[in-house]
Amino acid sequence: QQPVQSPQAVILREGEDAVINCSSSKALYSVHWYRQKHGEAPVFLMILLKGGEQKGHEKISASFNEKKQQSSLYLTASQLSYSGTYFCGTEMRDKGSFNKFYFGSGTKLNVKP
Amino acid sequence: EAQVTQNPRYLITVTGKKLTVTCSQNMNHEYMSWYRQDPGLGLRQIYYSMNVEVTDKGDVPEGYKVSRKEKRNFPLILESPSPNQTSLYFCASSLWVAGGPQETQYFGPGTRLLVL
Repeated sequence: QQPVQSPQAVILREGEDAVINCSSSKALYSVHWYRQKHGEAPVFLMILLKGGEQKGHEKISASFNEKKQQSSLYLTASQLSYSGTYFCGTEMRDKGSFNKFYFGSGTKLNVKP
Repeated sequence: EAQVTQNPRYLITVTGKKLTVTCSQNMNHEYMSWYRQDPGLGLRQIYYSMNVEVTDKGDVPEGYKVSRKEKRNFPLILESPSPNQTSLYFCASSLWVAGGPQETQYFGPGTRLLVL
């Protein structure tokens, strides 16, 4: 049930772009994206609901393709502050999963000067 | 200040000694959840609660208990801890409307547990 994230790790130079993918074997109702800095709690970035809409948060945006059961997080012109581990979280609506929440295993992003 | 608090932040215990990790939120959220975080596995949901006296198992509930007697509190109980429960634990809360989508989850600072 846990969504699969790729890549597991990314190293970028400041100003470069990155894409993080999240896919599920089951139909998704919503996808959430969180960022966690080392030693801290995860912090919410955005939610995408069924409907394929794309959302943005400064230079971070995301898309949700419900047919493919996938979401992608786009980080453009990365800054040092973007470093951390990114998690997608998914909500399904099937009988065994209702109201449960599943996080992916995370993508570690390291932005270097 | 809107927040989720957890106590203790760090805990070292021995196998079999019952312990409780407290979680409290001041945002009047209906949905509360416990996660454990282990290297390479991300966050896995242990238990969740949709309101007072309404709790259900998450993905990895074995060895844990919860209760929700008040809306603001959601303690996690390990009745007989074992070394494989050594982990980083997070409590989270969010708004929840029946039938609606999951809302933003606000996380506590985490409790690092070591079971010897």
